[in-house]
Amino acid sequence: DGGITQSPKYLFRKEGQNVTLSCEQNLNHDAMYWYRQDPGQGLRLIYYSQIVNDFQKGDIAEGYSVSREKKESFPLTVTSAQKNPTAFYLCASRGYLQETQYFGPGTRLLVL
Amino acid sequence: ILNVEQSPQSLHVQEGDSTNFTCSFPSSNFYALHWYRWETAKSPEALFVMTLNGDEKKKGRISATLNTKEGYSYLYIKGSQPEDSATYLCAFMSGANNLFFGTGTRLTVIP
Repeated sequence: DGGITQSPKYLFRKEGQNVTLSCEQNLNHDAMYWYRQDPGQGLRLIYYSQIVNDFQKGDIAEGYSVSREKKESFPLTVTSAQKNPTAFYLCASRGYLQETQYFGPGTRLLVL
Repeated sequence: ILNVEQSPQSLHVQEGDSTNFTCSFPSSNFYALHWYRWETAKSPEALFVMTLNGDEKKKGRISATLNTKEGYSYLYIKGSQPEDSATYLCAFMSGANNLFFGTGTRLTVIP
């Protein structure tokens, strides 16, 4: 089955700790995206990548980092510099010359 | 960050009723307007991508219209069913990678 997987479903972070959220797609899509959802707000773009080894900051990139070493994978690291990391994180991908973004099921990050 | 507004925030309708929601977006730098359906515990699912002023799209009982000059889109659901219960998101696209989402309309269809 083609699709986007995110793991884990729930993730707990201790103060001062970095954590990494996984996003994998087997749709052969070039572009991948990370969004954050907070209560009462629309999805906000954290980072995106249009091709391997290249990525761009979105609207709320501070406190996050990404890598794109493989086309299928776009992990997001929430660093200790992100002061309010508790949120729901969605990964998406988009094929070349397509407009639709396809989403994974999300990861909920909670701070202990 | 662009302002995309959806109304109402939430809506309860009886099974069989028809309903509609609104998405308002900037009327400048328009590239496309997306509608997604997001059911609880699932991934957001793309419904429509609309690019031309006056566009109308239909998928089963769900349809959407687009007015880029005045900056709004309507989503209609005819004869609502319990399985239509979800949050409906719209997203304004000003470029290939710039998607700005509204906060969504949460629809509950009461059997």
